[in-house]
Amino acid sequence: EADIYQTPRYLVIGTGKKITLECSQTMGHDKMYWYQQDPGMELHLIHYSYGVNSTEKGDLSSESTVSRIRTEHFPLTLESARPSHTSQYLCASSIGGREKLFFGSGTQLSVL
Amino acid sequence: GENVEQHPSTLSVQEGDSAVIKCTYSDSASNYFPWYKQELGKRPQLIIDIRSNVGEKKDQRIAVTLNKTAKHFSLHITETQPEDSAVYFCAASMGGNEKLTFGTGTRLTIIP
Repeated sequence: EADIYQTPRYLVIGTGKKITLECSQTMGHDKMYWYQQDPGMELHLIHYSYGVNSTEKGDLSSESTVSRIRTEHFPLTLESARPSHTSQYLCASSIGGREKLFFGSGTQLSVL
Repeated sequence: GENVEQHPSTLSVQEGDSAVIKCTYSDSASNYFPWYKQELGKRPQLIIDIRSNVGEKKDQRIAVTLNKTAKHFSLHITETQPEDSAVYFCAASMGGNEKLTFGTGTRLTIIP
């Protein structure tokens, strides 16, 4: 079934660890996004990509990095996790020229 | 850049009554206004959207209205039901390849 998948669903790690959050979509979408969601609700765009080898920083400054080597894959990496990185991370995708976003189920990250 | 304000942040409504959530945007060039619903523990999903060439759009119990002059748009839910309880996000963009700017969200609770 065409969808957007995120793994892991939950992640608890210690400070200083390097982590990669995975996001893959099987819908053939060219645009992909990473949002950080506060516990209180608000969605903040932290990275986006309009195609392979294209990545841009979003509106909210983030210490994370992303890569887009394949159309369907858009992983997010934190080199050294800190408690301030504790949040939910939502991946999304859309098809070129259309604005509807399809979201993944999210990764709830807790850094101790 | 675009700025979207959303009110109220929380809203409690008796089951069967109507709910209204309002958003204002800053960039007069914005022409696409979607609404997303996020149920507890689930991913945001598009429920309705409107473009600037239309003043109102309806889909069963939900409707969105747009006032381009005043730069605000609203979500109306009639005959509310328990399954309408969720966080609702408005958003705005200039369409095409432009990014969506989200509002801060409204937590709607339907009281049985």
